[in-house]
Amino acid sequence: EDQVTQSPEALRLQEGESSSLNCSYTVSGLRGLFWYRQDPGKGPEFLFTLYSAGEEKEKERLKATLTKKESFLHITAPKPEDSATYLCAVRLGGFKTIFGAGTRLFVKA
Amino acid sequence: DTGVSQDPRHKITKRGQNVTFRCDPISEHNRLYWYRQTLGQGPEFLTYFQNEAQLEKSRLLSDRFSAERPKGSFSTLEIQRTEQGDSAMYLCASSLLRGGGAGANVLTFGAGSRLTVL
Repeated sequence: EDQVTQSPEALRLQEGESSSLNCSYTVSGLRGLFWYRQDPGKGPEFLFTLYSAGEEKEKERLKATLTKKESFLHITAPKPEDSATYLCAVRLGGFKTIFGAGTRLFVKA
Repeated sequence: DTGVSQDPRHKITKRGQNVTFRCDPISEHNRLYWYRQTLGQGPEFLTYFQNEAQLEKSRLLSDRFSAERPKGSFSTLEIQRTEQGDSAMYLCASSLLRGGGAGANVLTFGAGSRLTVL
């Protein structure tokens, strides 16, 4: 069965304390891996797309990487405004996209 | 274009009643998705359309759920005989089918419709 697993479930950081979020997947046919950010009461907002192992994307304090079985979202020197839920999703053949449960990130000033 | 719009934003209903949610996607997007999200969980796939054709429906979706996308524009999601377990955020997303590029197949979400079944 196609599955996306994210860890940890929650992560508490001090401002400036860098860390990484993990997304592991077992799917029959990966057509892209996506990272989204979701703020409370809002829909997810797109961050990155990765298509092949070894690919990396960066945006401000965030960097996403991809291997054959997992992806990492690295957060460098986070700020309180980075607090949100970060969702990993994979697109399967036929354009169906499934999501992991997310990692809730709390950054304290 | 103001993005993906969903209506209503909040709906409170009694068990056994029917509810309908509407989604207006980004006008040039040809794919439309419905997801359900409960507290602390990621979005759970329900169904998706390409233009007016419903291409896949989750087997988790009971017969009480039905979705339509007449004329390939807006979509409606109806839940009949609601149950307390239906309480969730119902998210709509749209995307543009294209071959490649940085924005290919990215889902743009609406703010969601929150359902509370009493």
